[in-house]
Amino acid sequence: AQKVTQAQTEISVVEKEDVTLDCVYETRDTTYYLFWYKQPPSGELVFLIRRNSFDEQNEISGRYSWNFQKSTSSFNFTITASQVVDSAVYFCALSEARNTGKLIFGQGTTLQVKP
Amino acid sequence: GAGVSQTPSNKVTEKGKYVELRCDPISGHTALYWYRQSLGQGPEFLIYFQGTGAADDSGLPNDRFFAVRPEGSVSTLKIQRTERGDSAVYLCASSSLGRQELILNTQYFGPGTRLTVL
Repeated sequence: AQKVTQAQTEISVVEKEDVTLDCVYETRDTTYYLFWYKQPPSGELVFLIRRNSFDEQNEISGRYSWNFQKSTSSFNFTITASQVVDSAVYFCALSEARNTGKLIFGQGTTLQVKP
Repeated sequence: GAGVSQTPSNKVTEKGKYVELRCDPISGHTALYWYRQSLGQGPEFLIYFQGTGAADDSGLPNDRFFAVRPEGSVSTLKIQRTERGDSAVYLCASSSLGRQELILNTQYFGPGTRLTVL
């Protein structure tokens, strides 16, 4: 069965703090894809990153970084020096190679960054 | 370029009525997806199209829900005999094909249609 778990429902930090959003996934496929999306208060889902299961190299994009560990089935997302504009709901998602059209989303983590 | 657009942005209807929700994908994207997002939840897959045909409709909750994409571009999600439990935000996404045709590329989402069934 495929499943994505984001155990943190809500996180609140003060601006400039670092914050890590956790994501744990379950899949029987050996080839799969992992995603992070941001949903600001406006409601539109914004794509942040996609990782393939055969590429465990971690990635950094500005203040964002992602740590993919197949051994623990985790794909965590860190925001360094958080800003108020980072406040949003963040979703981790999984798609399997045998059905790449279907994204399976976690419940989301609401991040509030206070000034 | 233009992103995925969805109309209407809000729809209020009465229980038992029929509604249609429209999605206009990114130009050139061959794949189109529908999801439903209830308050406080992650989006749930409903159906996806590759061209004009539904490649996977396993997420449609029952036969009151139906979607079409007759010309391989715009899609319409149709809900018959609406129920209060159908109230949610309906999200549409589109993607292009990767170099390997079996692997679909990243899905880009529209702003959604908020459906309220009274």
